[in-house]
Amino acid sequence: EVQLVESGGGLVQPGRSLRLSCAASGFTFDDYAMHWVRQAPGKGLEWVSGISWNSGSIGYADSVKGRFTISRDNAKNSLYLQMNSLRAEDTALYYCAKDSGTAMVTGFAFDIWGQGTMVTVSS
Amino acid sequence: QSALTQPASVSGSPGQSITISCTGTSSDVGGYNYVSWYQQHPGKAPKLMIYEVSNRPSGVPDRFSGSKSGNTASLTISGLQAEDEADYYCSSYTSSSTVVFGGGTKLTVL
Repeated sequence: EVQLVESGGGLVQPGRSLRLSCAASGFTFDDYAMHWVRQAPGKGLEWVSGISWNSGSIGYADSVKGRFTISRDNAKNSLYLQMNSLRAEDTALYYCAKDSGTAMVTGFAFDIWGQGTMVTVSS
Repeated sequence: QSALTQPASVSGSPGQSITISCTGTSSDVGGYNYVSWYQQHPGKAPKLMIYEVSNRPSGVPDRFSGSKSGNTASLTISGLQAEDEADYYCSSYTSSSTVVFGGGTKLTVL
């Protein structure tokens, strides 16, 4: 079964850091780009960051650029999001999502989603 | 990175057809064929319904179709069913090498 399981969310104070993880199974992880997408409570979807299959291409939304870092470990079938200098507006459910492209070609659509991990930034 | 523009809500009766629009610019929707559509039921993760403007993933009913004209993409649902009631989001690749979503459309099946 193709599956993505996020972890690492929680309550954190403004200005602090948090690291999210996403464990992938059921597909050849190192063939596909991966992404993080977030959804603030009661709001719409926002793409946060994406990383190509070999980490050679990485992108960030302007809202997180310079504060968040995406990475992956293909040997561990895992995706990560290091979040620094967190702000109240970063409060959201963070989804890990598999890119829909063919092997090693990014398709910029998201065909497999995890259930998300909640990040709450509050003092 | 301005969000793509979608109507806040649309509605239709069972059996009818509805269309949801998604308007961007030449730097996103109009410039690339990487437009996607997602369905999200309350409390659930989004589900990919259309990718690359008009392609349906395996398992998505052919009642769902996508198209694009200029800077506007559209999702059409024909033969509306009660289970289609959900939020729908469009997304597009952009010239900044990022992805931008629309604000979402709430579909109500009357």
